[in-house]
Amino acid sequence: GDSVTQMEGPVTLSEEAFLTINCTYTATGYPSLFWYVQYPGEGLQLLLKATKADDKGSNKGFEATYRKETTSFHLEKGSVQVSDSAVYFCAPSTSYGKLTFGQGTILTVHP
Amino acid sequence: GAVVSQHPSWVICKSGTSVKIECRSLDFQATTMFWYRQFPKQSLMLMATSNEGSKATYEQGVEKDKFLINHASLTLSTLTVTSAHPEDSSFYICSARALSQAEETQYFGPGTRLLVL
Repeated sequence: GDSVTQMEGPVTLSEEAFLTINCTYTATGYPSLFWYVQYPGEGLQLLLKATKADDKGSNKGFEATYRKETTSFHLEKGSVQVSDSAVYFCAPSTSYGKLTFGQGTILTVHP
Repeated sequence: GAVVSQHPSWVICKSGTSVKIECRSLDFQATTMFWYRQFPKQSLMLMATSNEGSKATYEQGVEKDKFLINHASLTLSTLTVTSAHPEDSSFYICSARALSQAEETQYFGPGTRLLVL
């Protein structure tokens, strides 16, 4: 079945540091790929997505590129802010529209 | 756009009672809604998929008689936790997918925190 491996957290960074959260997946076919973010006590918000190989999803300074050859969708941001502190989930989508979630990566950004 | 609401946002109930949670897509029609459960500091576990006008499809290990799902319209799905027990305490999150087949994105509700005493 489909599975997702995310970088183990928690990740602790200082403000303005560079962020990378690794994500690799196994899935049949060519799934769409998503990053969701969850702030404390809240549901998930779509952060960005990519629907085909070599697509780059971007939003709020975050980027991720769909790498078919390495089955990866690593999340990056050049300069994190305290407000980016949250849990980040990588998730491929199957042909039935189901999402398979990684375990989530907790990010804490200090001033 | 693409806003999903849940009600209530939190609920405390006594063991043995039933609790209903509503999930609504506010500004779009959703052919499919999903129900997830999330334990503290863990990932989301898909419980079931519901399609408007048909029976829900439950994931392996999820008791369909325990977690009743009704998708009565293109904007509303409900999850009823029947005869709730303390082990059912959790964070329940729904998501909705738009009517268009080309739109795969799931939009999530804010979640409902259930505490069973």
